[in-house]
Amino acid sequence: NAGVMQNPRHLVRRRGQEARLRCSPMKGHSHVYWYRQLPEEGLKFMVYLQKENIIDESGMPKERFSAEFPKEGPSILRIQQVVRGDSAAYFCASSRAGTRLYEQYFGPGTRLTVT
Amino acid sequence: QKEVEQDPGPLSVPEGAIVSLNCTYSNSAFQYFMWYRQYSRKGPELLMYTYSSGNKEDGRFTAQVDKSSKYISLFIRDSQPSDSATYLCAMASGGSNYKLTFGKGTLLTVNP
Repeated sequence: NAGVMQNPRHLVRRRGQEARLRCSPMKGHSHVYWYRQLPEEGLKFMVYLQKENIIDESGMPKERFSAEFPKEGPSILRIQQVVRGDSAAYFCASSRAGTRLYEQYFGPGTRLTVT
Repeated sequence: QKEVEQDPGPLSVPEGAIVSLNCTYSNSAFQYFMWYRQYSRKGPELLMYTYSSGNKEDGRFTAQVDKSSKYISLFIRDSQPSDSATYLCAMASGGSNYKLTFGKGTLLTVNP
C-alpha cells in the first residue's frame, strides 16, 4: 500500500497523559502536514514539516504540542498532558516536493479520545 | 466572516441526479482550489484541484471556479449511491500554497 499511513487509528488517553501519533508519507513524498478535525468543525492546518525541518507551525497550539519528521522513520505529532479538548481526529497529509504543495494526500487519521 | 463558507446540508438526491456543491470564500489571496471526498470515519480523498477561473472536468466530476465572485462549485453527473459522502472544499493562497483552508463540508446522500 503506497498511501499515507497513520497509526494508531484510535487512541484513548486519560487527562494528563501523553499522546504520540505517527505518520508515514506516501512513497515518493517528502513533505508532511498535520491537520486537526474537531467535532462539528472543519479540518484545521497545524504544521508543515520536511525531513528534519519544521517549515511552518503557525497552526500548532503554543503549549503541549510538538511535531517532528526525523531523517529516518515516521513523522510524529506529540501532545503532552492531554486535556478533554484535545479529543479530535488528527490527519496527516503528504505531498511531493515542488510547486504543487497544495496537492496533498491524506491518511486515514488517528482518532484521539481523552477521558 | 469565515474565510471559507460551505453549506453543511444534508443534501439528498436520487440516483442519476446532477449534484451541485458550492463554497464561497472571502480571502482574495486564495489561488488554488481543491475538492475532497470524505467517507464516514475515513480520511479525505483528493478528487480534483484547479488554480484558475473556469471549468475542469474529470470523468463525472466538474470543478468550476469564479474568482471574481469568490465562488467555487463541484458538479457530479449521474450520481451514484457510492458518491454518498461528505464533500470538502479546500483553498490555498499563492504565498502559502501548502496551508489548506477547508470548508466544513457538505453531507451528500444519493438514494438508489
